Amino acid sequence: GAGVSQSPSNKVTEKGKDVELRCDPISGHTALYWYRQSLGQGLEFLIYFQGNSAPDKSGLPSDRFSAERTGGSVSTLTIQRTQQEDSAVYLCASSLGTGRGRSGANVLTFGAGSRLTVL
Amino acid sequence: LAKTTQPISMDSYEGQEVNITCSHNNIATNDYITWYQQFPSQGPRFIIQGYKTKVTNEVASLFIPADRKSSTLSLPRVSLSDTAVYYCLVGRSGGYQKVTFGTGTKLQVIP
Repeated sequence: GAGVSQSPSNKVTEKGKDVELRCDPISGHTALYWYRQSLGQGLEFLIYFQGNSAPDKSGLPSDRFSAERTGGSVSTLTIQRTQQEDSAVYLCASSLGTGRGRSGANVLTFGAGSRLTVL
Repeated sequence: LAKTTQPISMDSYEGQEVNITCSHNNIATNDYITWYQQFPSQGPRFIIQGYKTKVTNEVASLFIPADRKSSTLSLPRVSLSDTAVYYCLVGRSGGYQKVTFGTGTKLQVIP
């Protein structure tokens, strides 16, 4: 697609419920990132997918959080047994990466985010 | 990734030039410097990237001294719509890597 698409844009859930957040990256972008941003805070890295390699899960805050990326494209971030502290905006970004003929560091394109509110 | 340090916040009047400096003392040979802008309720967006000397585009200029241990993002004649958080990142060229953001600089433009 033309940009990174995230859904839902807003999600209100009750404590203890599971939620799934979806990210559709830019076509052809092989790297995909998830971040969390709490109100007034910076971006907290969660997980990073690079092509077919094993994802870098070093930022996931607990085992209630998981993510998958099917077919190297769409990604789903799942939060199980949500807690109130999970309330935040979840941002997805994709990147073309660099390779032969291209220089410079990865440039990320972000989606508009999914705002999660846990009551 | 090289650690970056930038001011937490800055205020500027409309019409002035704003310079935001980022320190990255441990920058590596293959590292590039990238700046992003984030408006409230939006994801960050790429502004500019450079390796050395000066880079200019329609939005901003990026000044990088010879030792590359710092960089300065320059926004000409800011307007109220430039109120945002500005992030400085340092990352290497080639391949893929995890990308982490610092706390950024919150720029408030005052009428």
